[in-house]
Amino acid sequence: AQSVTQLDSQVPVFEEAPVELRCNYSSSVSVYLFWYVQYPNQGLQLLLKYLSGSTLVESINGFEAEFNKSQTSFHLRKPSVHISDTAEYFCAVKKGGFQKLVFGTGTRLLVSP
Amino acid sequence: ETGVTQTPRHLVMGMTNKKSLKCEQHLGHNAMYWYKQSAKKPLELMFVYNFKEQTENNSVPSRFSPECPNSSHLFLHLHTLQPEDSALYLCASSQDLMESGEAFFGQGTRLTVV
Repeated sequence: AQSVTQLDSQVPVFEEAPVELRCNYSSSVSVYLFWYVQYPNQGLQLLLKYLSGSTLVESINGFEAEFNKSQTSFHLRKPSVHISDTAEYFCAVKKGGFQKLVFGTGTRLLVSP
Repeated sequence: ETGVTQTPRHLVMGMTNKKSLKCEQHLGHNAMYWYKQSAKKPLELMFVYNFKEQTENNSVPSRFSPECPNSSHLFLHLHTLQPEDSALYLCASSQDLMESGEAFFGQGTRLTVV
């Protein structure tokens, strides 16, 4: 069975500082990897995904994540955060084919002035 | 606007009540899902429908009863719930189960059982 571990339940950071949200997964086969974001009182929205090809993927709002197969990680980074990035971030993994998304427990990013 | 609409957004119900949650998607997707989101826990997949057929039931208690009359609509019928069932219930859809892309989520229904 596959699982997703997000070690940090909450990450406080000041505005304009860099941030990294960690995600590790366990799977013996190739997987697809996702980061979803949930703003207060909203559903989840896809932030970025890795399916194949370049191991570095980027979102339109400055986030990026790098797939590291040897470390089975897919950490999310942003070089300079904004107040508006305050949200909960979920890492998810899916095996190819007839498989469901498996989510981590989420990391709450708190950006303060 | 995510293309997946859930109603109501908030629901308070007693343990003896019967209520239903509704989900509607206008994305032309064939697969729909119900998730339960509780504090400090990973999202729990409850039910999966593909082309209106239920393909997965993750050991969900029978007090939760899903219904999928067509590929655009998904319901979750609730009866004799417990206080521990209070949570955010999220509906999602995807093109189909085989695709490697994303799932689109609704805004959720915040359910409180009193």
